[in-house]
Parts: sequence; structure tokens; C-alpha cells
Amino acid sequence: DAGVIQSPRHEVTEMGQEVTLRCKPISGHNSLFWYRQTMMRGLELLIYFNNNVPIDDSGMPEDRFSAKMPNASFSTLKIQPSEPRDSAVYFCASRRNRGLAKNIQYFGAGTRLSVL
Amino acid sequence: DAKTTQPNSMESNEEEPVHLPCNHSTISGTDYIHWYRQLPSQGPEYVIHGLTSNVNNRMASLAIAEDRKSSTLILHRATLRDAAVYYCIHMESSNTGKLIFGQGTTLQVKP
Repeated sequence: DAGVIQSPRHEVTEMGQEVTLRCKPISGHNSLFWYRQTMMRGLELLIYFNNNVPIDDSGMPEDRFSAKMPNASFSTLKIQPSEPRDSAVYFCASRRNRGLAKNIQYFGAGTRLSVL
Repeated sequence: DAKTTQPNSMESNEEEPVHLPCNHSTISGTDYIHWYRQLPSQGPEYVIHGLTSNVNNRMASLAIAEDRKSSTLILHRATLRDAAVYYCIHMESSNTGKLIFGQGTTLQVKP
């Protein structure tokens, strides 16, 4: 399996622009998580989905952030409009929510976002 | 809140054992203890998890105190590739799958 795939790996944009981050979870996994990592705040959970349905978005910082999961193999995290303080590494993770491996999350390589 | 306490950093020599401690004094009887690590410029990766008994896998061992208020991740022979940030995470038994990361322990391995 190719693991969790995130794109792009790096994104540089200007303040005010829309940014879309993409994630392809591991096939057969039915939970998907979006995290953000900064030096100041460490790794924070933004939102997670079970069976394509958003379960908890309490970590989403504000209305500028939105996430969708239109099917089991694809999710997006959108920031509109972007601000310099959104600069961070964004990770996507997936897991199978049943069976022996249900406690294990598999992370992608991340998207490094720089908002100028 | 992360609900776990770890030292900020530790050092080890290559090929020696490393014991990484974690305190989780508020843990309840059915909550799991998870360890993940993050190598430089990579996403976190699962290391090991346990409930009550000590656990072993190909990466590490997890020793859980009898009162479950602390645990220790053991790397039996550290290599330079084990240099990473190690996160101890207390997962609530409701098992929403959410991982609440603390600041972790930065492990340096010296040749």
C-alpha cells in the first residue's frame, strides 16, 4: 500500500488567496483526521471523519477553514481567505476503526504551507 | 489537554538502551497508552500501545506501571535513525480515535 498520500507537499501563497490541501487515505480505512503542526502550538487535531461524515470539527480554528470528504478515498482541507498565521505543516491521517489495528493512525508526509 | 507529562529532551549513545518515561496520573482503568514518534521532516508514526500488561513489538517495548499512572517506552538498542520526537498519548476509552499530542520528548542519539 502507498500509505496516506497528501498533495501538494509544499504550497506558497499570498495572503487572501484560497488554499486547498488534498488527502488520499489508505484504502479500506474508514476514519480520516486532519492535523496542523506549528512550533508554538505543536500538533493539533483540526477535524476528523468517520465513514466520510464529519464527527468533530471543534479544532477548526475559524470559519475560514473547511473540510470535506466526498468519498472514502479523498478529502480536502480548504482555507479561504488564507492568512500568514495559517503557515504550518498540515498532516492527514487515516485508520481502520475496527479490528486489531483500530487504534493505529497512519500519517501522510504533510503539506508545508507558507502564506506570505 | 494532553494529560501526559514527558521530559523535554533526552540523550542516548548509539547501540545502548533508551528508556523514555511518561506520566499519565489521570488515566482511567480502560484508557489506552499510545506512543508515536516523529522523525525530522516526516509525519508521526505509530510505535506501540498498551492497556495494562507490558507489550513488545519489533520497534520497542512498553512497560506499564502497576498503578498505570506511568509508563516507559524502551528502545533496546538505539540507532541514529531513532533520533526523533517521541509522543506519549493517553487515549480515552470512548475511542473516538482522537490523538491529543503533547510536546513530546526529543531524543538525540550520539554515535
